[in-house]
Amino acid sequence: QSVLTQPPSASGTPGQRVTISCSGSSSNIGSNYVYWYQQLPGTAPKLLIYRNNQRPSGVPDRFSGSKSGTSASLAISGLRSEDEADYYCAAWDDSLSFVVFGGGTKLTVL
Amino acid sequence: QVQLQESGPGLVKPSQTLSLTCTVSGGSISSGDYYWSWIRQPPGKGLEWIGYIYYSGSTYYNPSLKSRVTISVDTSKNQFSLKLSSVTAADTAVYYCARGEYSSSPDYWGQGTLVTVSS
Repeated sequence: QSVLTQPPSASGTPGQRVTISCSGSSSNIGSNYVYWYQQLPGTAPKLLIYRNNQRPSGVPDRFSGSKSGTSASLAISGLRSEDEADYYCAAWDDSLSFVVFGGGTKLTVL
Repeated sequence: QVQLQESGPGLVKPSQTLSLTCTVSGGSISSGDYYWSWIRQPPGKGLEWIGYIYYSGSTYYNPSLKSRVTISVDTSKNQFSLKLSSVTAADTAVYYCARGEYSSSPDYWGQGTLVTVSS
């Protein structure tokens, strides 16, 4: 049972815009930054979004993040086949004193 | 650019101790602004936080693993290590080392190493 809640799956067709939600509580998302990671099969998680809505160098601007209260979302516009991956949200939890993760969302590009 | 690389045995027998080392390059592990952590991912499952350490040696472990986990740091080698005792098949996972800023999620990750617990 993950502390942060994500839908287990999402899908879209090439060119479409998809969003993935992440729900938490006041001790994690509500009071700390949300991070998003992309994990391609057989590889390590790659930082996609940090501090709620910032993109590391090299991440296309098709990826965007937002946060409101105790929820956050990742949006992917202009969906491409190479976006097919697992996506995880994460946030520091003040009550637990460590990082908590969502259970992951498997994105399928139809 | 900071890089992290895990190393250690890929196969551990049940009841024994799993030992992994993470070597950091491109940055000093003695930087006071960061924690150095271990995270694992069982096959086909999600990410689980194991624990973290600061260069000063202060540590924090996931309560669900606390009785079996030890994380240590060797600043002279720019490395930190994980020991997980009394392993069972449930500890089979890809183990990642990662760096993060205080009260934030990790920014740099190692490539991960698969550890299988089997006799």
